[in-house]
Amino acid sequence: DAKTTQPPSMDCAEGRAANLPCNHSTISGNEYVYWYRQIHSQGPQYIIHGLKNNETNEMASLIITEDRKSSTLILPHATLRDTAVYYCIVRAVYMDSNYQLIWGAGTKLIIKP
Amino acid sequence: NAGVTQTPKFQVLKTGQSMTLQCAQDMNHEYMSWYRQDPGMGLRLIHYSVGAGITDQGEVPNGYNVSRSTTEDFPLRLLSAAPSQTSVYFCATQELNSPLHFGNGTRLTVT
Repeated sequence: DAKTTQPPSMDCAEGRAANLPCNHSTISGNEYVYWYRQIHSQGPQYIIHGLKNNETNEMASLIITEDRKSSTLILPHATLRDTAVYYCIVRAVYMDSNYQLIWGAGTKLIIKP
Repeated sequence: NAGVTQTPKFQVLKTGQSMTLQCAQDMNHEYMSWYRQDPGMGLRLIHYSVGAGITDQGEVPNGYNVSRSTTEDFPLRLLSAAPSQTSVYFCATQELNSPLHFGNGTRLTVT
Protein backbone atom coordinates (compact mmCIF):
# COMPACT_ATOMS: atom_id res chain seq x y z
CA ASP A 1 0.00 0.00 0.00
CA ALA A 2 1.08 3.54 -0.73
CA LYS A 3 2.47 5.34 2.29
CA THR A 4 0.87 8.61 1.17
CA THR A 5 -2.69 9.79 0.54
CA GLN A 6 -3.53 12.45 -2.04
CA PRO A 7 -6.80 13.74 -3.52
CA PRO A 8 -7.38 12.18 -6.94
CA SER A 9 -7.90 15.50 -8.73
CA MET A 10 -7.82 19.28 -8.30
CA ASP A 11 -8.47 22.34 -10.43
CA CYS A 12 -6.67 25.68 -10.25
CA ALA A 13 -7.05 28.90 -12.21
CA GLU A 14 -4.10 30.00 -14.31
CA GLY A 15 -1.95 32.53 -12.47
CA ARG A 16 -3.18 31.48 -9.04
CA ALA A 17 -1.26 29.42 -6.50
CA ALA A 18 -1.90 25.68 -6.67
CA ASN A 19 -1.79 23.97 -3.27
CA LEU A 20 -1.53 20.19 -3.41
CA PRO A 21 -1.96 18.34 -0.10
CA CYS A 22 -0.44 15.02 0.92
CA ASN A 23 -0.96 12.92 4.05
CA HIS A 24 1.88 10.67 5.25
CA SER A 25 0.87 9.86 8.79
CA THR A 26 3.16 6.80 9.08
CA ILE A 27 6.33 8.57 7.96
CA SER A 28 9.49 7.50 9.77
CA GLY A 29 12.13 9.80 11.18
CA ASN A 30 14.61 9.02 8.40
CA GLU A 31 12.16 9.39 5.53
CA TYR A 32 12.07 12.40 3.24
CA VAL A 33 9.00 13.69 1.41
CA TYR A 34 9.55 13.84 -2.36
CA TRP A 35 7.33 15.37 -5.01
CA TYR A 36 7.39 14.38 -8.66
CA ARG A 37 5.08 15.24 -11.52
CA GLN A 38 4.22 13.44 -14.74
CA ILE A 39 3.13 15.42 -17.75
CA HIS A 40 1.11 13.59 -20.38
CA SER A 41 2.62 10.12 -19.80
CA GLN A 42 6.23 11.32 -20.01
CA GLY A 43 8.71 10.09 -17.43
CA PRO A 44 8.13 11.53 -13.96
CA GLN A 45 10.01 14.77 -13.25
CA TYR A 46 11.49 15.64 -9.86
CA ILE A 47 10.10 18.81 -8.26
CA ILE A 48 11.28 19.16 -4.67
CA HIS A 49 11.95 17.25 -1.47
CA GLY A 50 12.30 17.92 2.24
CA LEU A 51 12.77 16.31 5.64
CA LYS A 52 11.19 18.64 8.19
CA ASN A 53 11.98 22.20 7.19
CA ASN A 54 10.05 24.06 4.53
CA GLU A 55 11.84 24.10 1.20
CA THR A 56 11.69 26.33 -1.88
CA ASN A 57 13.27 26.08 -5.31
CA GLU A 58 12.65 27.59 -8.72
CA MET A 59 9.71 25.28 -9.35
CA ALA A 60 7.79 25.13 -6.08
CA SER A 61 7.62 25.37 -2.31
CA LEU A 62 7.15 22.49 0.10
CA ILE A 63 5.48 23.05 3.46
CA ILE A 64 5.81 20.18 5.96
CA THR A 65 3.78 20.22 9.17
CA GLU A 66 5.63 20.19 12.47
CA ASP A 67 4.53 16.60 13.22
CA ARG A 68 5.57 15.64 9.65
CA LYS A 69 2.32 13.78 9.08
CA SER A 70 1.32 15.92 6.12
CA SER A 71 2.74 18.34 3.59
CA THR A 72 1.64 20.75 0.88
CA LEU A 73 3.26 21.41 -2.46
CA ILE A 74 2.74 24.97 -3.64
CA LEU A 75 3.09 26.09 -7.24
CA PRO A 76 3.05 29.86 -6.70
CA HIS A 77 1.81 31.01 -10.12
CA ALA A 78 0.32 28.07 -11.96
CA THR A 79 0.46 28.00 -15.75
CA LEU A 80 -1.26 25.72 -18.25
CA ARG A 81 2.01 23.78 -18.56
CA ASP A 82 1.68 22.76 -14.91
CA THR A 83 -1.26 20.51 -15.79
CA ALA A 84 0.04 17.07 -14.76
CA VAL A 85 -0.28 14.25 -12.25
CA TYR A 86 1.60 15.11 -9.05
CA TYR A 87 3.01 12.35 -6.87
CA CYS A 88 3.95 12.66 -3.21
CA ILE A 89 6.34 9.93 -2.04
CA VAL A 90 8.19 9.20 1.16
CA ARG A 91 11.54 7.47 1.05
CA ALA A 92 14.47 6.76 3.28
CA VAL A 93 17.78 8.48 2.64
CA TYR A 94 19.76 5.29 2.27
CA MET A 95 19.33 2.42 -0.10
CA ASP A 96 19.44 -1.15 1.14
CA SER A 97 18.24 -4.52 0.02
CA ASN A 98 14.64 -3.60 0.79
CA TYR A 99 14.79 -0.21 -0.83
CA GLN A 100 11.87 0.77 -2.98
CA LEU A 101 9.54 3.67 -3.48
CA ILE A 102 5.82 3.21 -3.11
CA TRP A 103 3.94 5.34 -5.64
CA GLY A 104 0.26 6.06 -5.19
CA ALA A 105 -2.07 7.24 -7.94
CA GLY A 106 -1.17 10.91 -7.38
CA THR A 107 -3.26 14.06 -7.85
CA LYS A 108 -4.30 15.08 -11.34
CA LEU A 109 -3.95 18.87 -11.35
CA ILE A 110 -5.79 20.72 -14.09
CA ILE A 111 -4.91 24.36 -14.65
CA LYS A 112 -7.79 26.26 -16.22
CA PRO A 113 -7.42 29.44 -18.31
CA ASN B 1 24.21 14.84 -22.22
CA ALA B 2 21.26 12.58 -23.02
CA GLY B 3 20.44 11.52 -19.45
CA VAL B 4 18.37 8.33 -19.49
CA THR B 5 17.58 6.85 -22.92
CA GLN B 6 14.99 4.13 -23.38
CA THR B 7 14.45 2.15 -26.55
CA PRO B 8 12.19 1.32 -28.24
CA LYS B 9 9.53 3.98 -27.59
CA PHE B 10 6.72 1.66 -28.70
CA GLN B 11 6.48 -2.11 -29.09
CA VAL B 12 3.75 -4.60 -29.92
CA LEU B 13 4.32 -8.26 -29.07
CA LYS B 14 2.32 -11.42 -29.45
CA THR B 15 1.72 -13.59 -26.39
CA GLY B 16 4.71 -15.83 -25.78
CA GLN B 17 7.25 -13.68 -27.60
CA SER B 18 10.33 -12.43 -25.80
CA MET B 19 12.05 -9.08 -26.06
CA THR B 20 14.49 -6.79 -24.32
CA LEU B 21 13.78 -3.20 -23.32
CA GLN B 22 16.93 -1.13 -23.36
CA CYS B 23 17.94 1.53 -20.86
CA ALA B 24 21.17 3.52 -21.12
CA GLN B 25 22.43 6.38 -18.97
CA ASP B 26 25.35 8.75 -19.33
CA MET B 27 25.24 10.25 -15.83
CA ASN B 28 27.48 7.61 -14.21
CA HIS B 29 24.80 6.85 -11.62
CA GLU B 30 25.22 3.65 -9.65
CA TYR B 31 21.54 3.04 -8.97
CA MET B 32 19.20 2.03 -11.81
CA SER B 33 15.68 0.70 -11.71
CA TRP B 34 12.75 -0.41 -13.85
CA TYR B 35 9.13 0.51 -13.17
CA ARG B 36 5.88 -0.30 -14.87
CA GLN B 37 2.88 1.99 -14.92
CA ASP B 38 -0.60 0.74 -15.68
CA PRO B 39 -3.37 3.16 -16.72
CA GLY B 40 -4.43 5.54 -13.94
CA MET B 41 -1.97 4.10 -11.46
CA GLY B 42 1.34 4.99 -9.94
CA LEU B 43 4.63 3.31 -10.75
CA ARG B 44 5.54 -0.13 -9.45
CA LEU B 45 9.12 -1.27 -9.08
CA ILE B 46 10.09 -4.35 -11.11
CA HIS B 47 13.85 -4.73 -10.55
CA TYR B 48 16.66 -2.50 -9.44
CA SER B 49 20.45 -2.43 -9.32
CA VAL B 50 22.76 -0.62 -6.91
CA GLY B 51 25.79 -1.09 -9.14
CA ALA B 52 27.35 -3.15 -11.91
CA GLY B 53 26.97 -6.86 -11.21
CA ILE B 54 24.28 -6.39 -8.54
CA THR B 55 20.54 -6.70 -9.14
CA ASP B 56 17.54 -7.28 -6.90
CA GLN B 57 13.81 -7.74 -7.16
CA GLY B 58 11.25 -5.06 -6.59
CA GLU B 59 7.52 -5.27 -6.00
CA VAL B 60 6.49 -7.01 -9.26
CA PRO B 61 9.46 -9.01 -10.64
CA ASN B 62 7.68 -12.08 -12.04
CA GLY B 63 8.05 -12.51 -15.78
CA TYR B 64 11.04 -10.17 -16.04
CA ASN B 65 14.80 -10.59 -15.90
CA VAL B 66 17.56 -8.00 -15.62
CA SER B 67 21.31 -7.86 -15.73
CA ARG B 68 23.83 -5.10 -15.03
CA SER B 69 27.15 -5.82 -16.72
CA THR B 70 28.09 -2.13 -17.00
CA THR B 71 27.25 1.06 -15.11
CA GLU B 72 25.65 2.54 -18.22
CA ASP B 73 23.19 -0.17 -19.26
CA PHE B 74 20.35 -1.93 -17.49
CA PRO B 75 18.25 -4.02 -19.93
CA LEU B 76 14.90 -5.51 -18.95
CA ARG B 77 13.99 -8.84 -20.54
CA LEU B 78 10.49 -10.20 -20.96
CA LEU B 79 10.89 -13.95 -21.15
CA SER B 80 7.46 -14.92 -22.51
CA ALA B 81 5.18 -11.92 -22.97
CA ALA B 82 1.65 -12.02 -21.57
CA PRO B 83 -1.24 -9.56 -22.04
CA SER B 84 -0.91 -8.67 -18.35
CA GLN B 85 2.46 -7.14 -19.18
CA THR B 86 0.86 -4.51 -21.39
CA SER B 87 2.02 -1.33 -19.72
CA VAL B 88 4.34 1.66 -19.93
CA TYR B 89 7.84 0.85 -18.68
CA PHE B 90 10.11 3.48 -17.18
CA CYS B 91 13.79 3.23 -16.43
CA ALA B 92 15.27 5.49 -13.75
CA THR B 93 18.72 6.27 -12.38
CA GLN B 94 19.84 7.88 -9.17
CA GLU B 95 22.81 8.84 -7.11
CA LEU B 96 22.64 8.15 -3.39
CA ASN B 97 20.39 10.66 -1.61
CA SER B 98 19.48 12.35 -4.88
CA PRO B 99 16.22 12.39 -6.87
CA LEU B 100 15.38 9.81 -9.51
CA HIS B 101 15.96 10.68 -13.17
CA PHE B 102 13.51 8.95 -15.51
CA GLY B 103 13.57 8.06 -19.16
CA ASN B 104 10.55 8.81 -21.35
CA GLY B 105 9.24 5.28 -21.28
CA THR B 106 8.54 2.31 -23.54
CA ARG B 107 4.89 1.68 -24.35
CA LEU B 108 4.38 -2.07 -24.66
CA THR B 109 1.27 -3.82 -25.93
CA VAL B 110 0.97 -7.61 -25.76
CA THR B 111 -1.81 -9.12 -27.86
